[in-house]
Amino acid sequence: DARVTQTPRHKVTEMGQEVTMRCQPILGHNTVFWYRQTMMQGLELLAYFRNRAPLDDSGMPKDRFSAEMPDATLATLKIQPSEPRDSAVYFCASGRTSVSTDTQYFGPGTRLTVL
Amino acid sequence: DQQVKQNSPSLSVQEGRISILNCDYTNSMFDYFLWYKKYPAEGPTFLISISSIKDKNEDGRFTVFLNKSAKHLSLHIVPSQPGDSAVYFCAASVGDYKLSFGAGTTVTVRA
Repeated sequence: DARVTQTPRHKVTEMGQEVTMRCQPILGHNTVFWYRQTMMQGLELLAYFRNRAPLDDSGMPKDRFSAEMPDATLATLKIQPSEPRDSAVYFCASGRTSVSTDTQYFGPGTRLTVL
Repeated sequence: DQQVKQNSPSLSVQEGRISILNCDYTNSMFDYFLWYKKYPAEGPTFLISISSIKDKNEDGRFTVFLNKSAKHLSLHIVPSQPGDSAVYFCAASVGDYKLSFGAGTTVTVRA
């Protein structure tokens, strides 16, 4: 049963600390998405990778967020320095292609709390 | 700018009755619409979709209706079951990877 995995599931940190979230996409999927879920905005797209190349990170605060895919089995999202307003649930999703009709499969999320 | 809006944050329905979830959008270029379902501590999972060339799509107990002139879509669940208690997200796309999501509607099915 192939699924997207994310670590850690929960993270509590203090303001100013670096946070790294990891995602393992489904084997064979060549697109990876990072989303952030907040109560007010719902799910917002932060970054999009295709074949490990970052194609869209327009949803990400550039000064403190960075996303990478060092290899096909690992995607990372880093926040440095973290701020209380970054508290949210961060989801990774993967898909076979980048067309909207192709299902995006979501991981269980990382719940981040910045104190 | 929220292009997809779910104006009802919550919905409570009795088991066996119909659940109707609503979603409005502002971008007339959207041509593909989806509903995702999310249980606590899990990621969203795809439920049902509809292309803008259709006005209805049905999959078992779930039916999605699209009214392009009103920029409105709805999800009907008939009959509602306790396992349907979850958060439902409406999403829309202009045909590419970028999905615009609503804020979600929490459905509670009462026994």
